[in-house]
Amino acid sequence: DVKVTQSSRYLVKRTGEKVFLECVQDMDHENMFWYRQDPGLGLRLIYFSYDVKMKEKGDIPEGYSVSREKKERFSLILESASTNQTSMYLCASSGPQGGNYGYTFGSGTRLTVV
Amino acid sequence: GESVGLHLPTLSVQEGDNSIINCAYSNSASDYFIWYKQESGKGPQFIIDIRSNMDKRQGQRVTVLLNKTVKHLSLQIAATQPGDSAVYFCAETHGGGNKLTFGTGTQLKVEL
Repeated sequence: DVKVTQSSRYLVKRTGEKVFLECVQDMDHENMFWYRQDPGLGLRLIYFSYDVKMKEKGDIPEGYSVSREKKERFSLILESASTNQTSMYLCASSGPQGGNYGYTFGSGTRLTVV
Repeated sequence: GESVGLHLPTLSVQEGDNSIINCAYSNSASDYFIWYKQESGKGPQFIIDIRSNMDKRQGQRVTVLLNKTVKHLSLQIAATQPGDSAVYFCAETHGGGNKLTFGTGTQLKVEL
């Protein structure tokens, strides 16, 4: 079974802290994505990556950065956490184009910034 | 810009009834659509997909209908069960791209 693993289910961080959210997939997928999920706003794309060391901004990249040093790992970084970054963060991966385009999601990390 | 949205934020149905969850999209170039189910505390899970060259696709207890004329997508769940209680999202992509755009979600509540 395709698996996407997010390292933490729940995190509580203080304002101004640097926060790392880790995501690992075991399917040799090229594509990886970070979303945040907020009530009434659905899933909003923060950053995505189509290859190692490659990254592209999504719809709401401000305040975030990412790192993809290895194909299986995609990290989301909050350089200086703020309370408006309190949210559910979802990582996803997908294989090459063709056939089923669908994503496989991790279970999510609920981040609270206090 | 493009948007994918849902008509109703919450849908309550009796156990055993059929459920219909709707989704509108605005991008006429959208050519691939997916429905996801997200249970509480979990990430979204793929339910069923449909391409724009089809208007209907069936899975196990689920059917997706696509009306390209009015840019409308629906998910039908037959004989709804308590385990179907979740948030349901539609998503779309176009031009062979791998980046999905998601709707805001509908909460399905199954009443016993």
